[in-house]
Amino acid sequence: GAGVSQSPRYKVAKRGQDVALRCDPISGHVSLFWYQQALGQGPEFLTYFQNEAQLDKSGLPSDRFFAERPEGSVSTLKIQRTQQEDSAVYLCASSLSSYTGELFFGEGSRLTVL
Amino acid sequence: GDSVTQMEGPVTLSEEAFLTINCTYTATGYPSLFWYVQYPGEGLQLLLKATKADDKGSNKGFEATYRKETTSFHLEKGSVQVSDSAVYFCAPRAGSYQLTFGKGTKLSVIP
Repeated sequence: GAGVSQSPRYKVAKRGQDVALRCDPISGHVSLFWYQQALGQGPEFLTYFQNEAQLDKSGLPSDRFFAERPEGSVSTLKIQRTQQEDSAVYLCASSLSSYTGELFFGEGSRLTVL
Repeated sequence: GDSVTQMEGPVTLSEEAFLTINCTYTATGYPSLFWYVQYPGEGLQLLLKATKADDKGSNKGFEATYRKETTSFHLEKGSVQVSDSAVYFCAPRAGSYQLTFGKGTKLSVIP
């Protein structure tokens, strides 16, 4: 597609539910990033893939967060047993390579945990 | 670790006013520096960048100069328009890939 696509755009979950957020990067982009953006804050790094390899997951806040990119294109961020503090916008970004620095962002998935 | 301090918003300006949004950073090594912008209802997009000291990034009338001695990358525009209303994020990139974003500065331009 023309840009990075994320779904769902909005998700409301009850505390304790599992959620899955999908990211379709720009075709041919090797690098894929997930960021978490709390209200009124800047995006914070969660994890980074180069093709299907998850090279850095140091930003994942707990073992309830899991990300995968099995075929090196689409990625899914999964949050198990959601908590209220998980409420945020989850941003996906892709780039041609990790070294260009220009990330192309999706519009984000807004998660609200009740 | 790396960190960014941005001018706190919100900033409200009249059309054609001069804009400065301050940004200072701490980073290991020799970072590249970026400004990203988020227009209402849209995703973040790159506004401009600079990769070495004294470089000036520019786009859409915005400019920022990489000042290594003061570890700053202030964003400026000589005459803002209503369409510039958005949230602006300063982001150094130290190391090979990870961007560190500031908290963002919301700009509102009124006619």
